[in-house]
Parts: sequence; C-alpha cells; structure tokens
Amino acid sequence: NAGVTQTPKFQVLKTGQSMTLQCAQDMNHEYMSWYRQDPGMGLRLIHYSVGAGITDQGEVPNGYNVSRSTTEDFPLRLLSAAPSQTSVYFCASSYSRQSYEQYFGPGTRLTVT
Amino acid sequence: AQSVSQHNHHVILSEAASLELGCNYSYGGTVNLFWYVQYPGQHLQLLLKYFSGDPLVKGIKGFEAEFIKSKFSFNLRKPSVQWSDTAEYFCAVNPRWDSNYQLIWGAGTKLIIKP
Repeated sequence: NAGVTQTPKFQVLKTGQSMTLQCAQDMNHEYMSWYRQDPGMGLRLIHYSVGAGITDQGEVPNGYNVSRSTTEDFPLRLLSAAPSQTSVYFCASSYSRQSYEQYFGPGTRLTVT
Repeated sequence: AQSVSQHNHHVILSEAASLELGCNYSYGGTVNLFWYVQYPGQHLQLLLKYFSGDPLVKGIKGFEAEFIKSKFSFNLRKPSVQWSDTAEYFCAVNPRWDSNYQLIWGAGTKLIIKP
C-alpha cells in the first residue's frame, strides 16, 4: 500500500506558467481533497471530491482546477501561476467525507517567481 | 471570524518535560475535534480525535487531549516528552452543523525537543 502519493515534491514556476500537481491513492477512498499550507496559517481547503466525476470548491479555489475521472487520481491544475500561489500543497483522502481520518500525501513545495 | 487558534507557534522543551499545546476554537454548537502530527520528513497523520463521550481522549504515542466545552478548548498533553516527539502539531475542528464536513485548521505548533 503506497497510501497517498504526490508528484512532484518540489517545483519552481514562472508567473503565468501552468502546471498540474498529481495525486493518487490506492486505498479505494471516495473522498479526496487538496489543501494549501502557508506560513502562520492552517491548512486551507482548495477543492475536494466525494467520488469519481464529482468535485466541489473549498475555501480558496480561485486559480485552481480539479477533475476526478477515476477513484484513484485527483490532479490539481494551476491555470496561470501567480506568486500568491507559492505554498506547500497537500493532497488527502479518506474513506468518505464523514470519515475524518484523512490520509495525507507528502506535499508539494511550489515556488512561483 | 470563526477560527481555530493554536497559542504557540514554536515550543522548545527538554526531554522528560511535560507538554501542553493549546487549541481554542470559536464555533458555537457541537464540534468534532482532532489533533494531527507531522514528523520531520513524514506525512501528516492523525494523533487523536474527539466526537463525543469522555472528554479526555487518548491517542497514539502517549498523547492525550482534554475537551473543555465551557472554554472552547482541546489542549494536547503528554506527561514526559521524548526527542522523537519533535514535530509540527495541528489542531482541527469540524462544526457538526457544517454539511460540507470541512475541517478548519489551526496554524500549527512546531515542537522541538532537546536531547
């Protein structure tokens, strides 16, 4: 069981570039989510999905897109990177939305210059 | 604004010292409460949780937390810390009236244990 995997671990982008952060889980979890973590702040929810084909916005969705074509994968797309998107991004999954034990990936540290 | 507050961003202790990390929330009504931990180089993982019942909750690695409803607090404790407890600790709250079941997170406390 690999759990929740994220790639890449580090990424540097220039303003205006786009990219996709990958997230995959092998636990057959229904619920997946993306958070960002900024210094001095807690994790903030970007987008989440309660199952394949279903996604919804979290607290800070602007500038990000997601899709969930399979149960396993939940990529996060940055459409046009901005310095304000410099952050550490965590993907998480759980058995269901109501199942609060979330399993986290190792994170992606993104810098936008 | 409703929030989750962790009082200390950095805590430094010597081995065998007692630990208490504060967590307060500003939501009224019934809440579910969590502590997560991130050890250096590892993933965030659940340390303990409180949904209902006994307000003193025991978690992994000798940690416990006490829910005090009147104080809107859920402080994390350990009687005697070890060097391996060096990590970042996050408190999270889910207001039960939130139909999205979202977790609201504190900013985290970085704990350093000196050997």
